[in-house]
Amino acid sequence: ETGVTQSPTHLIKTRGQQVTLRCSSQSGHNTVSWYQQALGQGPQFIFQYYREEENGRGNFPPRFSGLQFPNYSSELNVNALELDDSALYLCASSFHGHEQFFGPGTRLTVL
Amino acid sequence: AQSVTQPDIHITVSEGASLELRCNYSYGATPYLFWYVQSPGQGLQLLLKYFSGDTLVQGIKGFEAEFKRSQSSFNLRKPSVHWSDAAEYFCAVGARNSGTYKYIFGTGTRLKVLA
Repeated sequence: ETGVTQSPTHLIKTRGQQVTLRCSSQSGHNTVSWYQQALGQGPQFIFQYYREEENGRGNFPPRFSGLQFPNYSSELNVNALELDDSALYLCASSFHGHEQFFGPGTRLTVL
Repeated sequence: AQSVTQPDIHITVSEGASLELRCNYSYGATPYLFWYVQSPGQGLQLLLKYFSGDTLVQGIKGFEAEFKRSQSSFNLRKPSVHWSDAAEYFCAVGARNSGTYKYIFGTGTRLKVLA
């Protein structure tokens, strides 16, 4: 059974650029949640996708958007990158949300 | 409001000593509770979880946690700490709000182990 995978592992962008992060959910899971973990902080909920629709959102601006595909994989897109967007981005998959299984994360650095 | 508080930002213990990391939560319903460990530059590893039943939960690496509803606490313990336990520890509560189930994390406790 393959766990949650994320790509890329690391990436560096400059302020104002756009970035896409990818997540493949664990087999049998239909829900994907995204979290942002800034340096020295706990992860913060960005949003959740279920059946290809956004199913709840945390306190993040609209320039954070996402997609979920028919195979339940997901993308997180961030437009107009700001320095404060530098963080570890964690994807978690679950079956209807109760127990979430986290991927290894993508570390984004914005210069 | 739903929240998780980890009162200790840093804790230092000697190798072989016992450990207790504190976690308090605020959540109106019966909580699902979790403890995760994170090594520098790494993702989250689940140590243990509480959904229901026995309030003393055993996890991996010799960790245990006790759910105390009256105190809204879910403290993590280990009887004898190893140098490899040095890491950051996060407590989380699973919270449902308007059909969305999300995790709310504390700010973490960084554990340092002295040889």
